[in-house]
Amino acid sequence: DTGVSQNPRHKITKRGQNVTFRCDPISEHNRLYWYRQTLGQGPEFLTYFQNEAQLEKSRLLSDRFSAERPKGSFSTLEIQRTEQGDSAMYLCASSLAVLTGSGNTGELFFGEGSRLTVL
Amino acid sequence: GQQVMQIPQYQHVQEGEDFTTYCNSSTTLSNIQWYKQRPGGHPVFLIQLVKSGEVKKQKRLTFQFGEAKKNSSLHITATQTTDVGTYFCAENTGGFKTIFGAGTRLFVKA
Repeated sequence: DTGVSQNPRHKITKRGQNVTFRCDPISEHNRLYWYRQTLGQGPEFLTYFQNEAQLEKSRLLSDRFSAERPKGSFSTLEIQRTEQGDSAMYLCASSLAVLTGSGNTGELFFGEGSRLTVL
Repeated sequence: GQQVMQIPQYQHVQEGEDFTTYCNSSTTLSNIQWYKQRPGGHPVFLIQLVKSGEVKKQKRLTFQFGEAKKNSSLHITATQTTDVGTYFCAENTGGFKTIFGAGTRLFVKA
């Protein structure tokens, strides 16, 4: 399978525990994104990487959230001291960003997501 | 918050009827992307529009980008049950992050 892979697919945890999600992007893609999606809403941008550099973090991403992409390959998203409001689907996406004459392109390829439930 | 607004929030149609969802922005958009998310699935890219007034077709789907690049629409002709899902518009801002609208959820009754 050459698509974006995420694990675990489901995680149930108690409030206050730490959780970590992993994303393996499409191998030739240079950009990796993390989004959060709650029921009835569109994906909300959290952060993105260009290769191994984390270039932007949303203000939605509190100090309890940290993301890494060592060596510019897979990425991890860690949530410390989880709260019930963190319950959501965490989506990873990757893209091959190419600058064209008519603007920037960058179709996102999403993984299946990691669903977090905080009790 | 989200920079693109989508209407309607949801729509029920009878199979065979047409469906249109609209995406609006108060500012000029760099581009507009459309994604489809099936129930229980993940968003899947459909298309990107870049030029003012651009129209693209994919079988029964027609995508338009407004002349002022502040709005876009997705029209589905003769809906089928396989069209069920949520359709999101999104803007790839400055070639970096992609910002999504809240989506329009389509229900198709056979």
